[in-house]
Amino acid sequence: QKEVEQDPGPLSVPEGAIVSLNCTYSNSAFQYFMWYRQYSRKGPELLMYTYSSGNKEDGRFTAQVDKSSKYISLFIRDSQPSDSATYLCAMNLIYSNYQLIWGAGTKLIIKP
Amino acid sequence: DVKVTQSSRYLVKRTGEKVFLECVQDMDHENMFWYRQDPGLGLRLIYFSYDVKMKEKGDIPEGYSVSREKKERFSLILESASTNQTSMYLCASIPRLAVNTGELFFGEGSRLTVL
Repeated sequence: QKEVEQDPGPLSVPEGAIVSLNCTYSNSAFQYFMWYRQYSRKGPELLMYTYSSGNKEDGRFTAQVDKSSKYISLFIRDSQPSDSATYLCAMNLIYSNYQLIWGAGTKLIIKP
Repeated sequence: DVKVTQSSRYLVKRTGEKVFLECVQDMDHENMFWYRQDPGLGLRLIYFSYDVKMKEKGDIPEGYSVSREKKERFSLILESASTNQTSMYLCASIPRLAVNTGELFFGEGSRLTVL
């Protein structure tokens, strides 16, 4: 079993829809949770990060962490075609020498 | 803006060839990383370096070596390329003080095909 599970998709939704992207993990010691976005033929870029449980909002994006269920989510409101990308979750332990544990990534397609 | 530059975007090599992948960052970051990315497997860490001439093995170091002679440059070397090393290779950097945010800055990747 992988430490971090993420459905690879593709997930195809119409423009304007609310998108929910999810990851589950097995190590209860993970403290920091990140979402990276990767456009085709580009490197990943950090979208959001959260520490411990709770929600964090940034514009149309909301990151949610539920440590009791070992589940994290990224919600995208009012989705746009420009949101079409692969979304990777990543997490790490404190004092981990930056060694992130990555999900496999979910490919998201927003249809105009 | 932070810039991480990978010198070769696309390479085609033959089995047994020695391959060099170069990465340069311009923001004076202490830490640099090499990942490979394969469909369904996500990013897997090959090596990382936290200082000049320092290196640590990641999860899949076999068949690879690295060199960090200058702070801004981190090279990945495939001593004898094999077909199972066909992949996308991503270089990344992060400043030492950003450990908690995990904000890695990535290059655009080098897609290597080994025939």
